[in-house]
Amino acid sequence: QVTLRESGPALVKPTQTLTLTCTFSGFSLSTSGMCVSWIRQPPGKALEWLALIDWDDDKYYSTSLKTRLTISKDTSKNQVVLTMTNMDPVDTATYYCARHMVGHAFDIWGQGTMVTVSS
Amino acid sequence: EIVLTQSPGTLSLSPGERATLSCRASQSVSSNYLAWYQQKPGQAPRLLISGASSRATGIPDRFSGSGSGTDFTLTISRLEPEDFAVYYCQQYGSSPRTFGQGTKLEIK
Repeated sequence: QVTLRESGPALVKPTQTLTLTCTFSGFSLSTSGMCVSWIRQPPGKALEWLALIDWDDDKYYSTSLKTRLTISKDTSKNQVVLTMTNMDPVDTATYYCARHMVGHAFDIWGQGTMVTVSS
Repeated sequence: EIVLTQSPGTLSLSPGERATLSCRASQSVSSNYLAWYQQKPGQAPRLLISGASSRATGIPDRFSGSGSGTDFTLTISRLEPEDFAVYYCQQYGSSPRTFGQGTKLEIK
């Protein structure tokens, strides 16, 4: 059974750096073609794709956020970490991680973690 | 970057009716790598359709996808009460991956 679970702080202050961890089971990120993406959703708004890391450690980022994002993986721990710098209240959202293969849609999602940015 | 525009923003229908949701891309979607997701309040999105027309595992056959290039459609043949939700399209053929802004399907 494939599962993903997001974890991180529920509250961060403006200008701080957010670090989120996606811990997964049931698949390996060292399998050829395997990928994990991060997606966020502000309250009442649409989904926004943020970043992707693949089995070969290639990384892709949202055009508008790429200067603030860093994605990394720890294959031995089955974890993918996303950092976002210089947090702002507009970054308040539920953050999801999702599994997919290259050339495939996001088939399994975590339940999401809500992050509020406020002083 | 491919921009996806969904229409309508809100669709009000009754159970048993047919729903047609549209997703238009600003440029051709590579290999028709277009997916549809369903999201209910407080839940993560669920994959319905990939490759523009292939149903994901366990998705009822009242859900169907069609289209190619820049114009895609999700059709729900006969609405069930559990189908009222928000639907998103997504292209995964090029980076950055992008989502549409969503269509809310509400009970009339």
